Amino acid sequence: DGGITQSPKYLFRKEGQNVTLSCEQNLNHDAMYWYRQDPGQGLRLIYYSQIVNDFQKGDIAEGYSVSREKKESFPLTVTSAQKNPTAFYLCASSISFGAAYGYTFGSGTRLTVV
Amino acid sequence: GIQVEQSPPDLILQEGANSTLRCNFSDSVNNLQWFHQNPWGQLINLFYIPSGTKQNGRLSATTVATERYSLLYISSSQTTDSGVYFCAVVNTGTASKLTFGTGTRLQVTL
Repeated sequence: DGGITQSPKYLFRKEGQNVTLSCEQNLNHDAMYWYRQDPGQGLRLIYYSQIVNDFQKGDIAEGYSVSREKKESFPLTVTSAQKNPTAFYLCASSISFGAAYGYTFGSGTRLTVV
Repeated sequence: GIQVEQSPPDLILQEGANSTLRCNFSDSVNNLQWFHQNPWGQLINLFYIPSGTKQNGRLSATTVATERYSLLYISSSQTTDSGVYFCAVVNTGTASKLTFGTGTRLQVTL
């Protein structure tokens, strides 16, 4: 079945540590996105990629980094510069950037700072 | 940037009841989508509806773009409808990024 796989489902980070969240899709979608969701809030865009080897900052990119070396993969690194990283992280893809339909989301990674 | 407000923030229904969720947005849009997030966090796209009316089973949606609002109707609600419903828009003339509202949390009880 086609879809998006995020791993791990739960992740615990110590203060000052960098962690990387995985996002893989087999939908042959060009565009991929990372969102952050805080309790009781909507989704906020961290980074997006319209095509391989290209990515752009979203609304809350500080403290995060990404890469897009392969079409299928868009990993997100939460760096020690992100002061409040505890949140639910969702990866999504669409057939093209800003596509009117066909947004597919992964099942999310819940990150907690311990 | 564009503001997206959803109401009500919380809603509790008995199974079988109908409900209307509202999404107001502050500027013109060329893309509006409704999503359902289940209690385990999974988001599913329900409708792409920048204008007009669409129906899919017990769900239907209407967007009146000139008045900057959209409505999601749920009829004969079931416990599986529980979760959070999000409206997301793309502001006309901007880079095509979806801006999400804060959602309506729906709980359907037996």
